[in-house]
Amino acid sequence: DGGITQSPKYLFRKEGQNVTLSCEQNLNHDAMYWYRQDPGQGLRLIYYSQIVNDFQKGDIAEGYSVSREKKESFPLTVTSAQKNPTAFYLCASSRGGRVLEQYFGPGTRLTVT
Amino acid sequence: AQKVTQAQTEISVVEKEDVTLDCVYETRDTTYYLFWYKQPPSGELVFLIRRNSFDEQNEISGRYSWNFQKSTSSFNFTITASQVVDSAVYFCALSEPIQGGSEKLVFGKGTKLTVNP
Repeated sequence: DGGITQSPKYLFRKEGQNVTLSCEQNLNHDAMYWYRQDPGQGLRLIYYSQIVNDFQKGDIAEGYSVSREKKESFPLTVTSAQKNPTAFYLCASSRGGRVLEQYFGPGTRLTVT
Repeated sequence: AQKVTQAQTEISVVEKEDVTLDCVYETRDTTYYLFWYKQPPSGELVFLIRRNSFDEQNEISGRYSWNFQKSTSSFNFTITASQVVDSAVYFCALSEPIQGGSEKLVFGKGTKLTVNP
């Protein structure tokens, strides 16, 4: 079955540690995205990538970094510079170019204490 | 910049009632797309519909229907004969052009729908 996987579902870290969230898709989509969701809020775009080895900052990129070395994978690193990292993180992909429907992964809930 | 407003934060209905979720958007673009997504308690967003700005025809899919009105910048979503399984957070989203000729989604804050048996 084609889809997007994110692991782990729940992640706990101590303040000051970097943490990397995994996102893998087997839909052969060119574009991938990372969103952050806070309680009672919509989704906000962190980073996006339209092709391999290329990515751009979204609306709230500070304190985050990404890489896109393979078409299938778009890992997100939450660095210690992110002031309020506790949130629900969603990865998405689409066929690219004009926004067609984006398909979302199951999300990772990150808690930093 | 684009903006999406979902004024209803939470709605609670009894099973079999009809319910309408409101979505109002702001954009300066003449070509854009509107979306609805469902987020069940599991967290994953499920795509429901995409509508482009040139197609104002209403759409019906089973118990779901969408009313797109450009004149009022609204894209409302109606669930007929609601069921407990419809309980979720529903997001309306609008496309916005970004660098490189691509587009991103701008989301509203969502409406939490609870359908009680």
